[in-house]
Amino acid sequence: NAGVTQTPKFRVLKTGQSMTLLCAQDMNHEYMYWYRQDPGMGLRLIHYSVGEGTTAKGEVPDGYNVSRLKKQNFLLGLESAAPSQTSVYFCASSYDPSGEAFFGQGTRLTVV
Amino acid sequence: AQSVTQLDSQVPVFEEAPVELRCNYSSSVSVYLFWYVQYPNQGLQLLLKYLSGSTLVKGINGFEAEFNKSQTSFHLRKPSVHISDTAEYFCAVNSGGSNYKLTFGKGTLLTVNP
Repeated sequence: NAGVTQTPKFRVLKTGQSMTLLCAQDMNHEYMYWYRQDPGMGLRLIHYSVGEGTTAKGEVPDGYNVSRLKKQNFLLGLESAAPSQTSVYFCASSYDPSGEAFFGQGTRLTVV
Repeated sequence: AQSVTQLDSQVPVFEEAPVELRCNYSSSVSVYLFWYVQYPNQGLQLLLKYLSGSTLVKGINGFEAEFNKSQTSFHLRKPSVHISDTAEYFCAVNSGGSNYKLTFGKGTLLTVNP
């Protein structure tokens, strides 16, 4: 089993460019999450999904959009990247709220 | 709204010494509590979790945590640490009801020195 796979692992964007981060899980999990990790800030929830076709805002949703068209995939989009979005992005999935969340290896994004 | 506070951003200890990493949470409903560990340049791994029942929870690598409802705390402990325990540790909470956000604290960097 691959678990949770994030694509790409590294990316450098210019200010104003757009991109999509892909998260794929093969565990048939209902819940999926996108976080950003910044030094001293821990993990902050951007958006999450409680099932196929559903999405909801987390703590820091501004500047990001998400889609969950298929149960196994959770896409995070940046429409117009800003330097403040330079961060490490983690995707996670879980079967239910009481279950272990499985994390991907992260995507390191730099916006210049 | 739920939140998690990790009271120490850094904890340095010597090898074979005991350690406690502190975590307090707030939530208006019953909660599920977790501790995760992150090694450098990796994702997070589950150490242990509290759902219900016994307030003392044992996890992997000799770690344990105690749930205290009256103090809304979930402190992580290990009686004797190793160099390999050097990592960042995150406390997390997920509530029942209609709010299924998995919320993390800011993390505690545990550094084990020889």
